[in-house]
Amino acid sequence: AQKITQTQPGMFVQEKEAVTLDCTYDTSDPSYGLFWYKQPSSGEMIFLIYQGSYDQQNATEGRYSLNFQKARKSANLVISASQLGDSAMYFCAMREGTGNQFYFGTGTSLTVIP
Amino acid sequence: GAGVSQSPSNKVTEKGKDVELRCDPISGHTALYWYRQSLGQGLEFLIYFQGNSAPDKSGLPSDRFSAERTGGSVSTLTIQRTQQEDSAVYLCASSPQGYYGYTFGSGTRLTVV
Repeated sequence: AQKITQTQPGMFVQEKEAVTLDCTYDTSDPSYGLFWYKQPSSGEMIFLIYQGSYDQQNATEGRYSLNFQKARKSANLVISASQLGDSAMYFCAMREGTGNQFYFGTGTSLTVIP
Repeated sequence: GAGVSQSPSNKVTEKGKDVELRCDPISGHTALYWYRQSLGQGLEFLIYFQGNSAPDKSGLPSDRFSAERTGGSVSTLTIQRTQQEDSAVYLCASSPQGYYGYTFGSGTRLTVV
């Protein structure tokens, strides 16, 4: 089974609107961390936000927030007030408490329309 | 430097040749990862270094792939007898010990012809 599933290959959003990028995960480890990365056309992976499995509140970082629904095993990224510079690939990732590697989804390509 | 530096940024090589890819992590970062990203795909874990511990090599796809990290800093990923399926972007990331946010380099785009 896939550890991380991103079901939206491509998304479009109007500038200044909010957008939700979906991510579901699969693990039996009670301790894990969930991450979102942004990859612009330059290729560099930029860390956006982190959510720990034991965190009680949803993580927020500026315009980014993570909608963490533990029972549903989902960790959707919400970007508020979209900007043209938000156009990029977005990857959801997980690191299990007992492991070293990050598991990445296949990504969602976000295009912000002026 | 301020970020993770990878060199070369682009490499074209003939099938069967060996290549070396270099990663300079952020100074003081004890953890270092190598990942591979094929066209239109997510990232595939290759290898993980943490301080002086034995590396986690569980992601290396074949014995043609090897990596070392000298002095706990610079890392080199070596691919021997390259094949066309090795064509991908190879990304390096580093992190301070215990920190969950890794900083990635811009990658090396490897093309095997």
